[in-house]
Amino acid sequence: DAGITQSPRHKVTETGTPVTLRCHQTENHRYMYWYRQDPGHGLRLIHYSYGVKDTDKGEVSDGYSVSRSKTEDFLLTLESATSSQTSVYFCAISESGTSDLNEKLFFGSGTQLSVL
Amino acid sequence: GENVEQHPSTLSVQEGDSAVIKCTYSDSASNYFPWYKQELGKRPQLIIDIRSNVGEKKDQRIAVTLNKTAKHFSLHITETQPEDSAVYFCAAYFGNEKLTFGTGTRLTIIP
Repeated sequence: DAGITQSPRHKVTETGTPVTLRCHQTENHRYMYWYRQDPGHGLRLIHYSYGVKDTDKGEVSDGYSVSRSKTEDFLLTLESATSSQTSVYFCAISESGTSDLNEKLFFGSGTQLSVL
Repeated sequence: GENVEQHPSTLSVQEGDSAVIKCTYSDSASNYFPWYKQELGKRPQLIIDIRSNVGEKKDQRIAVTLNKTAKHFSLHITETQPEDSAVYFCAAYFGNEKLTFGTGTRLTIIP
């Protein structure tokens, strides 16, 4: 399973509360990604990281922030959760992140988040 | 913009028949095209990929073809089996660091 774990696996929260999802890897891969999966939209990139403290936005970054203080951990935070952020969140890792090298993504098991 | 279109969104085929899923992409500079399979309740997993310097790649019952001129690529599954039932995603790299996915195809194999 490429040594990637997500926590929690399931979470129910209320609108307006902060939520943090954690992604942990044991592969020492440089690149880490957060995607959300919604019916009819596939997998959409929220944020990604290309190294410790190096992050960038994806296509659906509004309402989300990330942090990477260690190679192995990538945190996704919803500062004030909204119902539109109810989704399945997948973390992924990649050795290189570029289309030229070892760019294959390995996904975590996902986090089902429900915002009521 | 960065876009990958995938069709059809759902596909049902009789067991033993072939299935074809098609994707088009917007950036002619894209040069790597992977396909991921996601079984119900599971994580997406890479099943096959192709680079722009190759027109076709096969791995047992699955194959991917690429037409760079037309900017489209396809997944072909032959002799389908019940375990092929899943959601399949195509993807393409844009800007070298962002893998953009299609919206997915739910494939159902009818016994």
